[in-house]
Amino acid sequence: DTAVSQTPKYLVTQMGNDKSIKCEQNLGHDTMYWYKQDSKKFLKIMFSYNNKELIINETVPNRFSPKSPDKAHLNLHINSLELGDSAVYFCASSQRGTEIQYFGAGTRLSVL
Amino acid sequence: GQQVMQIPQYQHVQEGEDFTTYCNSSTTLSNIQWYKQRPGGHPVFLIQLVKSGEVKKQKRLTFQFGEAKKNSSLHITATQTTDVGTYFCAADNYGQNFVFGPGTRLSVLP
Repeated sequence: DTAVSQTPKYLVTQMGNDKSIKCEQNLGHDTMYWYKQDSKKFLKIMFSYNNKELIINETVPNRFSPKSPDKAHLNLHINSLELGDSAVYFCASSQRGTEIQYFGAGTRLSVL
Repeated sequence: GQQVMQIPQYQHVQEGEDFTTYCNSSTTLSNIQWYKQRPGGHPVFLIQLVKSGEVKKQKRLTFQFGEAKKNSSLHITATQTTDVGTYFCAADNYGQNFVFGPGTRLSVLP
């Protein structure tokens, strides 16, 4: 079983649309993250949740809204998609104390 | 905020040559981690260094944490085509924030 799974793997959509990416981890970790990786491979943290509470919220447009219904899930909803949102989005989880991060396979978002 | 730099940005080597990537932080770190991302894949944890001057080995990979806990290096001996990918360091500033370096992209020519 995949430890950190995200869906969908690929997402192609038009500018202005709203889309969601889902993430689930079965590792029992208490912290989950969303990262954005652009075409130059820079890996930037967007959000971090610990036990369903937001603990990191980097400078991200408020069109991006994370939601954590429980500590095993962290979803990312994006409103009014723009061309610059095209990237690979990675979900990750870690256990507080080790901070070793386990990444999902990524969601490749293309905004046309 | 904390900045983490990595050099070089790109490295092309012939198979069998050695490779080293360096990670430098503007602040003292509590620990540093290294990840590898294969082309088209996701970052995978390799190792964590915690102690000043620590050296750890994984087969052909040698990881080092600087004495001042502000820099680290990853050295690969006798590279193989399976070593291709982007190597990231990730720095933890005593729980204040967690930052990935920009990565070093390694190409290995057969």
